[in-house]
Amino acid sequence: LAKTTQPISMDSYEGQEVNITCSHNNIATNDYITWYQQFPSQGPRFIIQGYKTKVTNEVASLFIPADRKSSTLSLPRVSLSDTAVYYCLVGDGRNTGFQKLVFGTGTRLLVSP
Amino acid sequence: NAGVTQTPKFQVLKTGQSMTLQCAQDMNHNSMYWYRQDPGMGLRLIYYSASEGTTDKGEVPNGYNVSRLNKREFSLRLESAAPSQTSVYFCASRVQGLATEAFFGQGTRLTVV
Repeated sequence: LAKTTQPISMDSYEGQEVNITCSHNNIATNDYITWYQQFPSQGPRFIIQGYKTKVTNEVASLFIPADRKSSTLSLPRVSLSDTAVYYCLVGDGRNTGFQKLVFGTGTRLLVSP
Repeated sequence: NAGVTQTPKFQVLKTGQSMTLQCAQDMNHNSMYWYRQDPGMGLRLIYYSASEGTTDKGEVPNGYNVSRLNKREFSLRLESAAPSQTSVYFCASRVQGLATEAFFGQGTRLTVV
């Protein structure tokens, strides 16, 4: 299982861009990188997923360098409602459809006015 | 448009009592998961079911049992509750595949006194 390492917490202000980096040195060839967001008292929610280079959707961008040993979730112009815990997950190296989905400790983002 | 439904939402048990947490999904997903989340911590995988008829242990299976009743339902049973099992429990489901997202229920907040 490819272990991930993220900062425990980050602080930001409204309107700033926030970049959260995740390290996954042992990522396997067929593993995708997925980010989830969790608000207090709620289950995690899928944000974005990618395999290489850059992926962008209406919520965030995901940057993945060529060696895929890390990834960066970028949140443009954060607001107070982006205060949440963000989890980076990678696959467990299986070349099958099933993935165990093991979460790490996540990054607690606090956005202040 | 229910997604993943967990029942009950809240429960208080006395030490030694038993109970079953229910989870049902209406998205025709193959894979289902049970997690626990202690205050201020990340999610830990208890059990998972890759497909109907199969279940397997996750990171913290001790004290729990599961049943994949059919493709829709995946229940978690505490045979003899202990205060250490006080936590929020989340169920999730997912289509099999290397690049698919998981959908989470709203959680069951369990207190064992």
